[in-house]
Amino acid sequence: AQRVTQPEKLLSVFKGAPVELKCNYSYSGSPELFWYVQYSRQRLQLLLRHISRESIKGFTADLNKGETSFHLKKPFAQEEDSAMYYCALLRGSTLGRLYFGRGTQLTVWP
Amino acid sequence: DAGVIQSPRHEVTEMGQEVTLRCKPISGHDYLFWYRQTMMRGLELLIYFNNNVPIDDSGMPEDRFSAKMPNASFSTLKIQPSEPRDSAVYFCASRVVSGELFFGEGSRLTVL
Repeated sequence: AQRVTQPEKLLSVFKGAPVELKCNYSYSGSPELFWYVQYSRQRLQLLLRHISRESIKGFTADLNKGETSFHLKKPFAQEEDSAMYYCALLRGSTLGRLYFGRGTQLTVWP
Repeated sequence: DAGVIQSPRHEVTEMGQEVTLRCKPISGHDYLFWYRQTMMRGLELLIYFNNNVPIDDSGMPEDRFSAKMPNASFSTLKIQPSEPRDSAVYFCASRVVSGELFFGEGSRLTVL
């Protein structure tokens, strides 16, 4: 069963435009959600986690339990934001395992 | 700490050959994960260990794949025999419980 869904495989926006990368999850308990980013030829790295409620590189993500969503947003995209973004879910019952979505490749055009 | 270290970074081999990928987790991390990344399927969890013990290997594609963690500082993922459809980037990652997951740089495998 797909526990994390990222409906868009590819997303393109122009520099300065707002961007939203969608993530929906399925879990009836209290989830812990993350966004990971992979820049070209680099390793995956944590971008942000919902429990910290912080903004990283201008990105924010709010956990919406009613809609089971954790969409990643940035009001003004930059070219350096071009990367692969993965949404991930940690379920308490799985002893530390993260479930990843299939990823969204974001391209920001100049 | 140098982070999660994987080797080799690139491997090109012929179908039927044995492939061994290696991983050194971050010291003190008691969880180790092996993922496979492909364009079609994204990031798939193959297997993960807790305190060197395999917890869930349900993501291992078939018997050709095996993974070991003989001690807290070393793990291997072996494919024998390899097939072209195994071509992918294989990532190792480690964490402590409730901590951030740290990834290695990946091993890009090409099976001809």
